[in-house]
Amino acid sequence: QQQVKQSPQSLIVQKGGISIINCAYENTAFDYFPWYQQFPGKGPALLIAIRPDVSEKKEGRFTISFNKSAKQFSLHIMDSQPGDSATYFCAASKAAGNKLTFGGGTRVLVKP
Amino acid sequence: NAGVMQNPRHLVRRRGQEARLRCSPMKGHSHVYWYRQLPEEGLKFMVYLQKENIIDESGMPKERFSAEFPKEGPSILRIQQVVRGDSAAYFCASSPTGVNYGYTFGSGTRLTVV
Repeated sequence: QQQVKQSPQSLIVQKGGISIINCAYENTAFDYFPWYQQFPGKGPALLIAIRPDVSEKKEGRFTISFNKSAKQFSLHIMDSQPGDSATYFCAASKAAGNKLTFGGGTRVLVKP
Repeated sequence: NAGVMQNPRHLVRRRGQEARLRCSPMKGHSHVYWYRQLPEEGLKFMVYLQKENIIDESGMPKERFSAEFPKEGPSILRIQQVVRGDSAAYFCASSPTGVNYGYTFGSGTRLTVV
């Protein structure tokens, strides 16, 4: 199976709050898990990515948590800002492969 | 260093016409990927090309769709005899190698079939 399931579909958070987005995958051959941020009218931009040999990766206010046994990974956005309002996509691939399988996306709205 | 350039940004076609979408990869990138994004959905892989070669077209519909990446010039995604269901945003990405890290996406072409 090649699916990546993402939840929630949308999220509203107050400025300064934490946004949490979850993804689950089925294909155990996946070993590269990126997150993309997309603003309206723009292409997706790589935000942060993780390999399954680590359980957590942090870059600034963005953290990926990875649970290999549960085949789940999540994105945490700390101290959410209005400028973080965007659609976030998780994705997965075989590192040596050439295509990304994307989740359905989460629309995040950060209220001032 | 310009990013991945896609044109046109918006394209309107009547049912039955042909749509041609162009993608110029970043300088130095020789790998191009096309994805389609339907409204309110994630991106779906269509095709992966290197210069003059199609490497993986497993996500491309068997009929009406074709892609090329010639030795000179941009990559072209061609949709013949468009139907309303082809209305979507089409994104191109490029990378300097054949692995997924280092993907840079363009801003997309929004195709509307009327």
